Amino acid sequence: EAGVAQSPRYKIIEKRQSVAFWCNPISGHATLYWYQQILGQGPKLLIQFQNNGVVDDSQLPKDRFSAERLKGVDSTLKIQPAKLEDSAVYLCASSLGDIPDNSPLHFGNGTRLTVT
Amino acid sequence: LAKTTQPISMDSYEGQEVNITCSHNNIATNDYITWYQQFPSQGPRFIIQGYKTKVTNEVASLFIPADRKSSTLSLPRVSLSDTAVYYCLVGDQRDSSYKLIFGSGTRLLVRP
Repeated sequence: EAGVAQSPRYKIIEKRQSVAFWCNPISGHATLYWYQQILGQGPKLLIQFQNNGVVDDSQLPKDRFSAERLKGVDSTLKIQPAKLEDSAVYLCASSLGDIPDNSPLHFGNGTRLTVT
Repeated sequence: LAKTTQPISMDSYEGQEVNITCSHNNIATNDYITWYQQFPSQGPRFIIQGYKTKVTNEVASLFIPADRKSSTLSLPRVSLSDTAVYYCLVGDQRDSSYKLIFGSGTRLLVRP
């Protein structure tokens, strides 16, 4: 099966600019996650969707971050305006079942964002 | 907020068996324990999952004692390519929200 696709692979922007990341999960996967991974740390959950509804976004900085999952398939994560501390890898993952569920997460290779 | 505790780093040599233990004292009754491997510039990759006792696949074994408050990932005869960060995950159920929260992981370095 095709894996989780993310684009772009790399992005460099200046602070206060906006940026968007795109994720296409594995076909048929109900649940989609966005994680932020700062260098040297474990991934931090930002938001999770079940189909096209938000299940949890308690760790999402909503003053600058937004995310949506259109028709329960693809998802976009946006940052506006970006800050220096947003420099990180943004990982998208999907899993087969509904939350709560123990089906494994399948990750994309992420988008590496550098804010200068 | 991570519900798991792991050693920060471990060193080993090629051909040795490596055991990485994870502590999860507050694991919920219906939670499974899942281990992931992450190489630089890649997303985490599923290795193995278990609920109790022992699980084995072509990559690793997972040992879970009866109280389920810890688990041990066993990598038999590691090679240089096993150098990676290893994460164990359990679910975090708070109110109506169920989340999978990563800790800092264990950095395994395999030496020749």
